[in-house]
Amino acid sequence: EVQLVESGGGLVKPGGSLRLSCAASGFTFSSYSMNWVRQAPGKGLEWVSSISSSSSYIYYADSVKGRFTISRDNAKNSLYLQMNSLRAEDTAVYYCARGLPPDYWGQGTLVTVSS
Amino acid sequence: QSALTQPASVSGSPGQSITISCTGTSSDVGGYNYVSWYQQHPGKAPKLMIYEVSNRPSGVSNRFSGSKSGNTASLTISGLQAEDEADYYCSSYTSSSTPLVFGGGTKLTVL
Repeated sequence: EVQLVESGGGLVKPGGSLRLSCAASGFTFSSYSMNWVRQAPGKGLEWVSSISSSSSYIYYADSVKGRFTISRDNAKNSLYLQMNSLRAEDTAVYYCARGLPPDYWGQGTLVTVSS
Repeated sequence: QSALTQPASVSGSPGQSITISCTGTSSDVGGYNYVSWYQQHPGKAPKLMIYEVSNRPSGVSNRFSGSKSGNTASLTISGLQAEDEADYYCSSYTSSSTPLVFGGGTKLTVL
């Protein structure tokens, strides 16, 4: 069974940093591209970032470019999102999702940016 | 990175059929057969319902179907059931500098 479990969310002050993790199981992690997608409270889905299976290709939404860094460790079956210079508008549930297009999604981790 | 355009809401009675549209451009929906549809119930993660315009993942009811004409994709749900009440999002591959774009979402109400 495919499982994606996000962690690392929480409350952070504007300008602060946070690192999200996604633990994958139930499939060959190293064979799939992975994504972060977020959803602000009461809003729609927003694609944030994607990384190819071997990390050769990395993409970011304009809204996070230069502030967020996606990475993965295929040996640990894990996906990461380093978020720096956080803003109030980054407040959202962050989902880890497999593949392009995403087929399996984790349950999400809430990031709240507030003073 | 403009979002795809979906109606904010649609509604239907049990047993009826409804269609949700998803309009993009020739750089996304119209240019590729990589449109997907997701169902999201409140407080839950999105669930893939349709991929590559019209394909259903294993386990998804055949009441859900997808199609595309030009720059507009559509999701049709036939035989509406109470459990279908949810938010629905389309997504598409895009030729822009980013690989994926979502629609703004459509809230389906089963009357």
